[in-house]
Amino acid sequence: KAGVTQTPRYLIKTRGQQVTLSCSPISGHRSVSWYQQTPGQGLQFLFEYFSETQRNKGNFPGRFSGRQFSNSRSEMNVSTLELGDSALYLCASSLEGHNNEKLFFGSGTQLSVL
Amino acid sequence: QKEVEQNSGPLSVPEGAIASLNCTYSDRGSQSFFWYRQYSGKSPELIMSIYSNGDKEDGRFTAQLNKASQYVSLLIRDSQPSDSATYLCAVTGAGSYQLTFGKGTKLSVIP
Repeated sequence: KAGVTQTPRYLIKTRGQQVTLSCSPISGHRSVSWYQQTPGQGLQFLFEYFSETQRNKGNFPGRFSGRQFSNSRSEMNVSTLELGDSALYLCASSLEGHNNEKLFFGSGTQLSVL
Repeated sequence: QKEVEQNSGPLSVPEGAIASLNCTYSDRGSQSFFWYRQYSGKSPELIMSIYSNGDKEDGRFTAQLNKASQYVSLLIRDSQPSDSATYLCAVTGAGSYQLTFGKGTKLSVIP
């Protein structure tokens, strides 16, 4: 079974631009979560989607948004990029998103904002 | 604000020794507890999960949970250089769909 696939692997953008990241979950997984990882803050929860609906959202500004498609693939978008948005963005999938399920992480997208 | 605290390390242990990693959490309603391992430049990988008080063993790994003290630990027996990584403690609450992670403890196993 293929793992969680994230594209692109690396991105370089400038301040003020917007970016879209993509995530394909493991086949059969319906829950997709997004996390931001930085050296200073560690892994922080962005949002979680299930059946095309956002079920939970972390404490990030509205510039961070996401969506999920009917095939469970998900995208996240960051508008008006700031230097502080430079981070590794990780997508994770699980079957139903229950709190006792194992999360499978993708390799991440490393975003650099110049 | 739910918090998960870990000693950032680095924690250095000699090969063959027991590595002990600790984690405390602030939300008494937390129900599920996980330990992830992250090698440098790689994504986190689940190594242990624990849901009730006590010990849970899996090979060289033992997770310990004490809900009264809001404390989770991970013991790695017979530590190997390949265990050198950052270990992340993560916690979820009742009905929650998000993991709250600690910032991780960097473990270095010296040959």
